[in-house]
Amino acid sequence: EAQVTQNPRYLITVTGKKLTVTCSQNMNHEYMSWYRQDPGLGLRQIYYSMNVEVTDKGDVPEGYKVSRKEKRNFPLILESPSPNQTSLYFCASSLTTASRGYTFGSGTRLTVV
Amino acid sequence: GENVEQHPSTLSVQEGDSAVIKCTYSDSASNYFPWYKQELGKGPQLIIDIRSNVGEKKDQRIAVTLNKTAKHFSLHITETQPEDSAVYFCAAKNNNNDMRFGAGTRLTVKP
Repeated sequence: EAQVTQNPRYLITVTGKKLTVTCSQNMNHEYMSWYRQDPGLGLRQIYYSMNVEVTDKGDVPEGYKVSRKEKRNFPLILESPSPNQTSLYFCASSLTTASRGYTFGSGTRLTVV
Repeated sequence: GENVEQHPSTLSVQEGDSAVIKCTYSDSASNYFPWYKQELGKGPQLIIDIRSNVGEKKDQRIAVTLNKTAKHFSLHITETQPEDSAVYFCAAKNNNNDMRFGAGTRLTVKP
């Protein structure tokens, strides 16, 4: 089944403890992106990648890192999480940058205490 | 950059009635306008989209209209059913793949 898989689905962590949220797609998509969803703010882009080894900042990149060493994986790294990074995170992918809609993962609900 | 505004933020309708959600965008270079449905505990799913060279598109009970001059587009759901209850997001994308989302509309269809 064609899909975007995120792990974990839920995570509670403490301030300052490094964490990684994984994202993997099995559709050979070139484009991948991370969003955070907060009430009243919709989906805001954190980072995106147009292809392997190519990553760029979105609208809210502070406090996050990403890597794209292989086409299928696009992990989101929080080196020193803070409570304002408590949010619902979504990974998305599309075939190319010119493709139409995105395929989204099921989301990761992160709580930083 | 692009700014997408979506209204209303919440919408409650009776089963069988129609629902309309409206979005405006600011970047005249935007040329692709998708709509996503997000059910509880799931990621957003594309339900319909429209390109800037088309004014209207319909797929069964859902339709999208686009007014490029006024820079607004709308989602129309007819004969609503309880399973239509979800959060709906509009989005606008330009050729640089810069996709911006609206803040979302929580639709509740009452049986």
